[in-house]
Amino acid sequence: AQKITQTQPGMFVQEKEAVTLDCTYDTSDPSYGLFWYKQPSSGEMIFLIYQGSYDQQNATEGRYSLNFQKARKSANLVISASQLGDSAMYFCAMREGSGYQKVTFGTGTKLQVIP
Amino acid sequence: NAGVTQTPKFQVLKTGQSMTLQCAQDMNHNSMYWYRQDPGMGLRLIYYSASEGTTDKGEVPNGYNVSRLNKREFSLRLESAAPSQTSVYFCASSETWGEQFFGPGTRLTVL
Repeated sequence: AQKITQTQPGMFVQEKEAVTLDCTYDTSDPSYGLFWYKQPSSGEMIFLIYQGSYDQQNATEGRYSLNFQKARKSANLVISASQLGDSAMYFCAMREGSGYQKVTFGTGTKLQVIP
Repeated sequence: NAGVTQTPKFQVLKTGQSMTLQCAQDMNHNSMYWYRQDPGMGLRLIYYSASEGTTDKGEVPNGYNVSRLNKREFSLRLESAAPSQTSVYFCASSETWGEQFFGPGTRLTVL
């Protein structure tokens, strides 16, 4: 079974609109962390936001917020007020606890912002 | 601070040749990782090192070996390169529970 599933290979959004990128995860470990990374066409990986499994509130970082629904095992990324520079690949990732340092990535969503 | 550095940036090998990809971090992180990225596959973990002196297999370790030389350096070796190893390779480091910091990547082509 996939540990991290991103079901949207590609998305379009109008500039200044909000967009939600979906991520579901699968783990039986009660202790885990969820991450979102951005990869522009230049290729570097940029950390955006983190949510711990015990965090009571949804994480926010500027225009990025993480809609964490623990019972549904989903960790969707919401980008508000999209900008042209947001066009990139977006990856969801999970680190599981129990002493592991293994981090598993999803296959990514390509977001294109339309002027 | 340079963050995470990788060498080389580009490499072309012939089938059967060997090479070592170098990675170093200056953030005093305990954990280091090697990933490969192929189109449509996301990042797949090859090997990781939770701390100096330890290494563990990830999702796709076959055909690779690693060495955690010290806390700063984590190298990836291809003993006998195959065309299936054509990929972009990323090194990353992190604190135990923190976000990963990635190097710029190495684009490897095996002919």
